[in-house]
Amino acid sequence: DIQMTQSPSSLSASVGDRVTITCRASQSISNFLNWYQQKPGKAPKLLIYAASSLQSGVPSRFSGSGSGTDFTLTISSLQPEDFATYYCQQSYNTPRTFGQGTKLEIK
Amino acid sequence: EVQLLESGGGLVQPGGSLRLSCAASGITFSSYAMSWVRRAPGEGLEWVSTISASGTSTNYADSVKGRFTISRDNSKNTLYLQMNSLRAEDTALYYCAKEHRSSTNCPTFDYWGQGTLVTVSS
Repeated sequence: DIQMTQSPSSLSASVGDRVTITCRASQSISNFLNWYQQKPGKAPKLLIYAASSLQSGVPSRFSGSGSGTDFTLTISSLQPEDFATYYCQQSYNTPRTFGQGTKLEIK
Repeated sequence: EVQLLESGGGLVQPGGSLRLSCAASGITFSSYAMSWVRRAPGEGLEWVSTISASGTSTNYADSVKGRFTISRDNSKNTLYLQMNSLRAEDTALYYCAKEHRSSTNCPTFDYWGQGTLVTVSS
């Protein structure tokens, strides 16, 4: 199975900050990497697919990059509604493994 | 508007069974693979199972293989998860999710239901 490791596990930041979350795969997954946001009591929401493509309706302050084993999710200027937990997920093969999550909290 | 509505969760004793359902609307259900993903209390997301659009192909996480069965009824736009021999570690919020392959050919879970809670406890 492909293991996905996110860092950090938690992060405190302020509104307006630029934030980067990293995700590393245990083997190359090309660009088969997706990012999701989950808020308490809500279903996960797809933000970025294929490592760098912005899902329709997602604000442009979200961006993704990377290929192979190393990936990043960047939020260019944090907004109050961005405080949530973020997950990476590989779609290279089955099982479709997720990272352990990064909880983004208000400083 | 795409809607996925899960049902069937509840409290069950270890060793018991439950069947979850996910009713889909707003999509051509028979065109898409569908999955179940769960989130245990205090834990992250865990993929459980996927079924192809036609229902002829299925995949399972090792943690549920041999105990859970995914199925679908395309005439009813409904996805199912039959869960047998339930264990305490199966306690989680279970989401159904629609799979989508964009022009990049990267599969994603682009729509999710709100989840149904399964609690396995004596």
